[in-house]
Amino acid sequence: DAGVIQSPRHEVTEMGQEVTLRCKPISGHNSLFWYRQTMMRGLELLIYFNNNVPIDDSGMPEDRFSAKMPNASFSTLKIQPSEPRDSAVYFCASSFRLAYNEQFFGPGTRLTVL
Amino acid sequence: AQSVTQPDIHITVSEGASLELRCNYSYGATPYLFWYVQSPGQGLQLLLKYFSGDTLVQGIKGFEAEFKRSQSSFNLRKPSVHWSDAAEYFCAVVEQAGTALIFGKGTTLSVSS
Repeated sequence: DAGVIQSPRHEVTEMGQEVTLRCKPISGHNSLFWYRQTMMRGLELLIYFNNNVPIDDSGMPEDRFSAKMPNASFSTLKIQPSEPRDSAVYFCASSFRLAYNEQFFGPGTRLTVL
Repeated sequence: AQSVTQPDIHITVSEGASLELRCNYSYGATPYLFWYVQSPGQGLQLLLKYFSGDTLVQGIKGFEAEFKRSQSSFNLRKPSVHWSDAAEYFCAVVEQAGTALIFGKGTTLSVSS
């Protein structure tokens, strides 16, 4: 299996621009998680889906952030408009069943907003 | 509020020496417990997990962890550290099945020769 795939691996954009991060979970996994990692705040859960349905989005920082999971093999995290404080590494993770919570992480997308 | 504490931000250990990374959690019941490792520029990889049963669990790369209910702890250990173990280590908990992981702030391990 290729593991969790994230794209792009690096993104540099200017403040105010729209940013879309993409994730392909491991085939057969039905739970998907988006995390943000910064030096100041550590690893934060933004949102997670189970069977393509958002379960908890309480970690999404504000309305500028949105996430979708149109099918079992694809999810996006969008920031519009982006701000410099959104600069971070964004990880996607998936698990076979939410109940087990053994998550497999992608390599992350390093986002820099200038 | 639910929380996971990793008291040590940074630890340096000599190669070949033993290692113990501390993790404490604040929950009333026994949570599900995990240790993940993150190498520089990489995503997180699961080292080991505890759900129930034997309180000493074995993981990959020679790591083990012991769950101590009386101390609300789940410390990670390795008898002999290798230079390739230098990474950041995260403890995580789930209060009950069906909810998301809560991660500690992480401990950075440096290995000196």
